[in-house]
Amino acid sequence: GAGVSQSPSNKVTEKGKDVELRCDPISGHTALYWYRQSLGQGLEFLIYFQGNSAPDKSGLPSDRFSAERTGGSVSTLTIQRTQQEDSAVYLCASSLRPSNYGYTFGSGTRLTVV
Amino acid sequence: AQTVTQSQPEMSVQEAETVTLSCTYDTSESDYYLFWYKQPPSRQMILVIRQEAYKQQNATENRFSVNFQKAAKSFSLKISDSQLGDAAMYFCAYRSHDNYGQNFVFGPGTRLSVLP
Repeated sequence: GAGVSQSPSNKVTEKGKDVELRCDPISGHTALYWYRQSLGQGLEFLIYFQGNSAPDKSGLPSDRFSAERTGGSVSTLTIQRTQQEDSAVYLCASSLRPSNYGYTFGSGTRLTVV
Repeated sequence: AQTVTQSQPEMSVQEAETVTLSCTYDTSESDYYLFWYKQPPSRQMILVIRQEAYKQQNATENRFSVNFQKAAKSFSLKISDSQLGDAAMYFCAYRSHDNYGQNFVFGPGTRLSVLP
């Protein structure tokens, strides 16, 4: 597609439920990042995928968080047993390859845990 | 580890005037990249300007320019002739030169309001 697409745009879930957030990067982009943006905060790195290499999961805050990327394209971020502190905007970014020219970001998913 | 600080949580500017947003960072590296990103209400992060640390010349992009002071580890953004569409959150970000697989380090952001 023309840009990075994220779905859903907004998600409200009950505490304890599992949620899946989807990121569809720009076609051909090999690098894909997930970030979390809590209210009034900057962006917090979660996970990075590059091609077929093992992902860099060093930013995942707990074992309730996981992500996968199928076929080097679409990525899904899964949060199990959601907690209220998981409420945030989850942003995805992609790039043609690892680059110091910045990345193209999606519009994010706003997750609200009630 | 690198850190990025933005000491101005909120700023405002009159339309057509000039405003400067501050950013400082901490690093022991000599080669790196610095960025300013804009996040409008649509939430999508948009790259505004990029600076390579080994270049002494300050980057400019139309109405946007930076004042890069490497020794002081300062990287401010100047917006000239401010427009209503410039209203947004602005994030300063740092990236190491050598670690292509590593993430950006973002500051906490500055919310810019443009007054008509």
